[in-house]
Amino acid sequence: DIVMTQSPDSLAVSLGERATINCKSSQSVLYSSNNKNYLAWYQQKPGQPPKLLIYWASTRESGVPDRFSGSGSGTDFTLTISSLQAEDVAVYYCQQYYTYTFGQGTKLEIK
Amino acid sequence: EVQLVESGGGLVQPGGSLRLSCAASGFTFSSYWMHWVRQAPGKGLVWVSRINSDGSSTSYADSVKGRFTISRDNAKNTLYLQMNSLRAEDTAVYYCASSQGYLDYWGQGTLVTVSS
Repeated sequence: DIVMTQSPDSLAVSLGERATINCKSSQSVLYSSNNKNYLAWYQQKPGQPPKLLIYWASTRESGVPDRFSGSGSGTDFTLTISSLQAEDVAVYYCQQYYTYTFGQGTKLEIK
Repeated sequence: EVQLVESGGGLVQPGGSLRLSCAASGFTFSSYWMHWVRQAPGKGLVWVSRINSDGSSTSYADSVKGRFTISRDNAKNTLYLQMNSLRAEDTAVYYCASSQGYLDYWGQGTLVTVSS
């Protein structure tokens, strides 16, 4: 099984500052058949279901603010929020969607 | 508007059974793979199962293999999860989600509590 490991487990960032969350997979999720990384990022606010933010490692879902960006390839990926807003407080999960495992989540708070 | 509405959750004793449903609307259900994902109280997301668009192919997490069965009725736009031999560790909110590989739409979830 592919194990997804996020870092850090929790993060406190000041409003307007950059937040960076990392995700590492135990094996590459870049598939040569289509040269795509099977990696997505989700945001989950308290009491709500997860919401898709990023797919194919760097493609922003429609309607997601452009302060959210994804990068990386192979086994190492990053979700960046360029200027933290109060409404971004949430838990963020990465997922490889070749065999579907999730990272353990990163809790993002305001400093 | 895409809507996924789960139902069927509740309190069940260890060893018991429960069937979850997920009613879909607002998209062509029969064209999409579908998934179940669960979340134990205060814990992270755990993928449970997926089914392809015509129901001919399924996949399960090791933790539920042999106990849970995913199925769908494309005529009724409904996804199911039959859960047998339930254990305390199956206690969670169960979400259904539509998929284009990544999980693009999610329901609000239904709570399953396994306790005596």
